[in-house]
Amino acid sequence: EAGVTQSPTHLIKTRGQQATLRCSPISGHTSVYWYQQALGLGLQFLLWYDEGEERNRGNFPPRFSGRQFPNYSSELNVNALELEDSALYLCASSVRDEGFAEAFFGQGTRLTVV
Amino acid sequence: DAKTTQPPSMDCAEGRAANLPCNHSTISGNEYVYWYRQIHSQGPQYIIHGLKNNETNEMASLIITEDRKSSTLILPHATLRDTAVYYCIVRVSRGSNYKLTFGKGTLLTVNP
Repeated sequence: EAGVTQSPTHLIKTRGQQATLRCSPISGHTSVYWYQQALGLGLQFLLWYDEGEERNRGNFPPRFSGRQFPNYSSELNVNALELEDSALYLCASSVRDEGFAEAFFGQGTRLTVV
Repeated sequence: DAKTTQPPSMDCAEGRAANLPCNHSTISGNEYVYWYRQIHSQGPQYIIHGLKNNETNEMASLIITEDRKSSTLILPHATLRDTAVYYCIVRVSRGSNYKLTFGKGTLLTVNP
C-alpha cells in the first residue's frame, strides 16, 4: 500500500514568490493535515482538511492557505514568501472516525526561501 | 489538547530497554495518549496509542498510570536505529481539536 506522498521533495523560491506544495493521502483516508517544521523547532500545526473542507487552522497568517480536492489530495499554498518560511513542510493523512486514528506522515517538502 | 511534559533528552545503551516518560496531568477523560517519533529530517512515525489500558505492539509498550496523569513508552530492546525525537501527544478524537499537537519531545540517543 502506498504511503503519504508529497511533492516536490525540495523547492527553492525567492522572497515574495508563491510556493505550492502537494500531498496525496493514503487511499481511504479523508483527512489531511499540514505541519511546518522550521530548523531546530518542533512541528507547528498549519491546516486540517477533511472531506474537502478546512476544519481547523493553526496560528499562521492568511498567506498560508490550501485546499483539498475531491480525491482527497491536498495543496498548500504559501504566498508572498518570507525568509522565515524556510522549513520542512509535512503532510499527514488519517481516517476520520469517531474513535481514534493514527496519522501517517509523508517525508515532507523542504522549502528554501532565498 | 492537554499539555504534555517530556524530558528534553535521554540516553540508552543499545540492547537495553528505553523508558520514555510523559506527564499529562491535565488530561481529560476523552483524550487518548499517542506516541510518535521522528528520525532526523524524516516525517514522524506513529508508534502506539492508548486510552486507559496498557498497550503493546511490535514496536513498543505503553504504560498508562491508573489516574492517567502520566505514561511511559517502553522500547524493550533499543537499537541504534531507535535514535530519534519521541513525541508524547494527548488529543481528543472529535470536534475542532481533531488534530495532533506536537510538543518538543524527547531526543533519545541510543549508544553502542
